[in-house]
Amino acid sequence: KQEVTQIPAALSVPEGENLVLNCSFTDSAIYNLQWFRQDPGKGLTSLLLIQSSQREQTSGRLNASLDKSSGRSTLYIAASQPGDSATYLCAVLFQSYGGATNKLIFGTGTLLAVQP
Amino acid sequence: EAGVVQSPRYKIIEKKQPVAFWCNPISGHNTLYWYRQNLGQGPELLIRYENEEAVDDSQLPKDRFSAERLKGVDSTLKIQPAELGDSAVYLCASSSDRGSGYTFGSGTRLTVV
Repeated sequence: KQEVTQIPAALSVPEGENLVLNCSFTDSAIYNLQWFRQDPGKGLTSLLLIQSSQREQTSGRLNASLDKSSGRSTLYIAASQPGDSATYLCAVLFQSYGGATNKLIFGTGTLLAVQP
Repeated sequence: EAGVVQSPRYKIIEKKQPVAFWCNPISGHNTLYWYRQNLGQGPELLIRYENEEAVDDSQLPKDRFSAERLKGVDSTLKIQPAELGDSAVYLCASSSDRGSGYTFGSGTRLTVV
């Protein structure tokens, strides 16, 4: 069974620090991987989408990498700010999951708190 | 461009009552998804539509949950009767193709008391 795991579950850092969030998945047969941000009580906001053929994507202070062979992705946040505080979710679109195709499977998220 | 629109934002009902959630996907997105997110967990897929056809409903508790996507645009998710364990956030998402990523709505937070 394919799984998506995120570590750490929670992270607290002082403002200005660079940080890395980790995501691992158990099957390399994926179409893409997407990082989302979720603020308390809100929906999901897409941050970065990495296709299976790509190694990384960048948007502003965010950089996401993908190593399909090892089943890992990292989200790097540079110069963190209190406004970055949220839950960050990794989601993998597996080619096949339990007999179904095109299934987006989420990790449980990393709760980030950036202290001013 | 309007995003994925969901309503209501919040709903509080007593157990055994029915409840319905509505979703309007991004215009032109053929694929629509309903996810359920329990507190502290990642979202889990309930049902996926390709146009008006439900192509993956293996995770939908069919004894009490139903969904429809008439005309392949808007969708409604219904629970009847609701149970205490149904309290969660119900998220709708849409995509144009598997390479374009998913866009999520703001979700409906359901509390069953």
